[in-house]
Amino acid sequence: EAGVAQSPRYKIIEKRQSVAFWCNPISGHATLYWYQQILGQGPKLLIQFQNNGVVDDSQLPKDRFSAERLKGVDSTLKIQPAKLEDSAVYLCASSLSGGGNQPQHFGDGTRLSIL
Amino acid sequence: GNSVTQMEGPVTLSEEAFLTINCTYTATGYPSLFWYVQYPGEGLQLLLKATKADDKGSNKGFEATYRKETTSFHLEKGSVQVSDSAVYFCALSGGSNYKLTFGKGTLLTVNP
Repeated sequence: EAGVAQSPRYKIIEKRQSVAFWCNPISGHATLYWYQQILGQGPKLLIQFQNNGVVDDSQLPKDRFSAERLKGVDSTLKIQPAKLEDSAVYLCASSLSGGGNQPQHFGDGTRLSIL
Repeated sequence: GNSVTQMEGPVTLSEEAFLTINCTYTATGYPSLFWYVQYPGEGLQLLLKATKADDKGSNKGFEATYRKETTSFHLEKGSVQVSDSAVYFCALSGGSNYKLTFGKGTLLTVNP
C-alpha cells in the first residue's frame, strides 16, 4: 500500500512569510495527525483529525498555525506569519482509527527553515 | 500528564554488540507502548509495540517488554548491525484521544 505522502520535502522562507504543507494519508485511514519535530527532540502533536473533525488541537499555536481536512482525506497545515522558532520538521501521520492499539504511519516530513 | 523519559545519547557501539536503550514512562490508566525508529532524512517507522503489562513486542531482532511494576519499556537487541544506526523513540499512547507522547530520542551509531 502507498504510504503517507507529504510535500514539499524542504522549504526555506524568511520570518513573517507564510507557508503551507500538504499531506495525503494512507487510503482508508480515518485519523490524521500533524506533528512538529524540533531538532534533537521527539515529535510534538499539533493537531489530530478524525475524518474531517478536530479531535485535539490543544498544542496548536492558533494565532499563527491553522490546519484543515475538508473532505476527510488530505490535509494542509499553514503557518502565517512564520517565526524563527518554527524551524522544524513537520510530520504527518495517519492511522486506521484513533484507537490506542492502532499504530500511526508517518510520512517523510517537511523540513522548514526560517531565515 | 503523560511523559516518557529515555536514555540520552548518543550511543556508539561496534557491530555485533549488545544494545539496551532505557525507557520509563508516567501515565494514568493503561497506555500502549511503542518504539519508533527514524533513519536519516526519513519519517518515523513503527519498530514494535506492546499493549498490556508483561507483553513483549519484537521485530527485526529488537525486543521490549512492558513492565508495569517498574513503568519501563527498555529496547534490546542481542547483536546490532551497521544498518541499525538511527534515532530510536520510545512513545506511549494514552488519554481520551490516545495521543502519542514521545521521548526525546536516542541516536544510535553502529561502527563496523
